[in-house]
Amino acid sequence: DQQVKQNSPSLSVQEGRISILNCDYTNSMFDYFLWYKKYPAEGPTFLISISSIKDKNEDGRFTVFLNKSAKHLSLHIVPSQPGDSAVYFCAASESTSYGKLTFGQGTILTVHP
Amino acid sequence: DVKVTQSSRYLVKRTGEKVFLECVQDMDHENMFWYRQDPGLGLRLIYFSYDVKMKEKGDIPEGYSVSREKKERFSLILESASTNQTSMYLCASSLNNEKLFFGSGTQLSVL
Repeated sequence: DQQVKQNSPSLSVQEGRISILNCDYTNSMFDYFLWYKKYPAEGPTFLISISSIKDKNEDGRFTVFLNKSAKHLSLHIVPSQPGDSAVYFCAASESTSYGKLTFGQGTILTVHP
Repeated sequence: DVKVTQSSRYLVKRTGEKVFLECVQDMDHENMFWYRQDPGLGLRLIYFSYDVKMKEKGDIPEGYSVSREKKERFSLILESASTNQTSMYLCASSLNNEKLFFGSGTQLSVL
């Protein structure tokens, strides 16, 4: 039972344009959501997070949107840069779970110069 | 910065061998985790620990065990390695319910 789903395995974007990565979840107990970025042969690195009490969080070029009623979150990257090319994972947790994260399958983002 | 160190970047083992993967964190985090990453499946939680000598099963614990004798060290043990355990293994740590910090990963090949 996949509680966190990223339905797009890959996304290709031109440099300077917006990248939008999507994520859906089914567990209504999730109250904290995160995005991680992963380069090949490296561990994932934290990118941005959002609590369920908010619907938007922004950090530089990265913005995460949360739609609780639809159980959907998205990551916007504006403007996209070639160095953003990586695998992006969304993740979710419950506040009572010792920080245990449930991850989606990942989306490979390629930004073309 | 938090540092999570995994002892090996690449390992090649034979079917049936007992395999130890070691992980050390330097930030006094209570929580430590072992995930495996496989293409198309994302990261799946094998085991986690919220305190010394405490451990909890994750989503895919079969064929694995763990040990946490000291706060900074969390070991993953493959009791009898099998080819379907070929994967990228990722260790992580966190403070309370905050974000996870990951190590660089160990790519394990079981032949």
